[in-house]
Parts: sequence; C-alpha cells; structure tokens
Amino acid sequence: GAVVSQHPSWVICKSGTSVKIECRSLDFQATTMFWYRQFPKQSLMLMATSNEGSKATYEQGVEKDKFLINHASLTLSTLTVTSAHPEDSSFYICSAGGGTGANVLTFGAGSRLTVL
Amino acid sequence: AQSVTQPDIHITVSEGASLELRCNYSYGATPYLFWYVQSPGQGLQLLLKYFSGDTLVQGIKGFEAEFKRSQSSFNLRKPSVHWSDAAEYFCAVGGTSYDKVIFGPGTSLSVIP
Repeated sequence: GAVVSQHPSWVICKSGTSVKIECRSLDFQATTMFWYRQFPKQSLMLMATSNEGSKATYEQGVEKDKFLINHASLTLSTLTVTSAHPEDSSFYICSAGGGTGANVLTFGAGSRLTVL
Repeated sequence: AQSVTQPDIHITVSEGASLELRCNYSYGATPYLFWYVQSPGQGLQLLLKYFSGDTLVQGIKGFEAEFKRSQSSFNLRKPSVHWSDAAEYFCAVGGTSYDKVIFGPGTSLSVIP
C-alpha cells in the first residue's frame, strides 16, 4: 500500500535554530502534499498545501516566513521551522494524495518538535 | 461554512461492548467523508471512506459507518470493541480531488478490560 514517510520522528532543538522536517511518498508520486499541526489533545490544523514545482499555499494565520515549505520533487516535501521558539513546539504531520486511491490522503507518522 | 463536529470528546466502553462514535458535518456540496484513527504519537490511519453508492461502508478492523444525508451524519460503529481500539478517532470531510480535508475535533476512546 501507499506509504508516506516523515523524518525525523522527533527532534529537540534550541530556541533560535531552524529545523527541517521531510515528508516522502515512498511508492507513489504526490503532486500535492499537506502539512498539519496538532496540539496535544486537539485536532489537526491545516498549515499549508505544498504543490510540486510551485509555491506553497498557506492557511490564514500561518506565517510563511516562519514555516518554509519546499516541494522540489514528486516524492518529497520539506517543512522548515525557522528561528524556532518554544511556542513552535508541536506535532507536525504531513499527508499526500494519490497513494491509496483518488481523493484519499495518506498520512505520515508525524514529527514531534520540542524547542527548548 | 464547512465544518465537522464530533459531539463526544471522550467515550469509555468495556471490551466486547458495541461502539458508536458520532459525526455531523456541514458541507456545501456532496461530501467525501472519512474516519481516521490515531494512536498516541502516531500519524493517522484511514479506517474507511464514503464517496458515493451504498450508504453503509465497511472499513478495516471491523469498523463500519453509515452516511445519512438527511441528518448530515456519518457515524462510526463497531459491534465488539477490543482493547487495541483505544485511540483518538477523527471524522473528516472533503471534496473532489485533494481538496483540503476538514477534520473534526476528535473523540478519544478508552476501553475497559
């Protein structure tokens, strides 16, 4: 079946540093990927839509300069949290379409970011 | 406005008992409906989906859901719950292609041995 791999699964960094999270579709091509943020005991909040070969589309209230998204190939999208601060600590999940069938998203296992 | 509500924040059931998780949605067009399950610290796994056709859909792990257009509902059911079903369950609605999927707030399921 379709698999979306996220790396790293968890990361701890110091305040002010940048962190990159990768999202890969392992056995299918994904022209569109989605990045979500999930706070403890809460639902998923869509941050941005990542489109292969073009700029990402950010949801209202999401700082595009803080959360840089690059979708350079049909199998890889990256999310870079720049100048991270403790309030950026969260669980980040990506998803990709086109894996298990039309209209169905396949999710990565998520990346836990802790900013000290 | 598009939205998904899950009235029950937390549900506790005994192992072997039946389960029903409620989901109501508001969507301007014919919705694509999903149920996902999330174990602690993990991503989301698709349990089942409804696009069209038979309103009772079967999913993995013995789950099923029924689409009721008149009630704007898509409730998830399982006849006999197992301890391994304890997790967070999200109902979601989307549109054609890969339109942004909107998630409900989730229902946390606890299973008593």
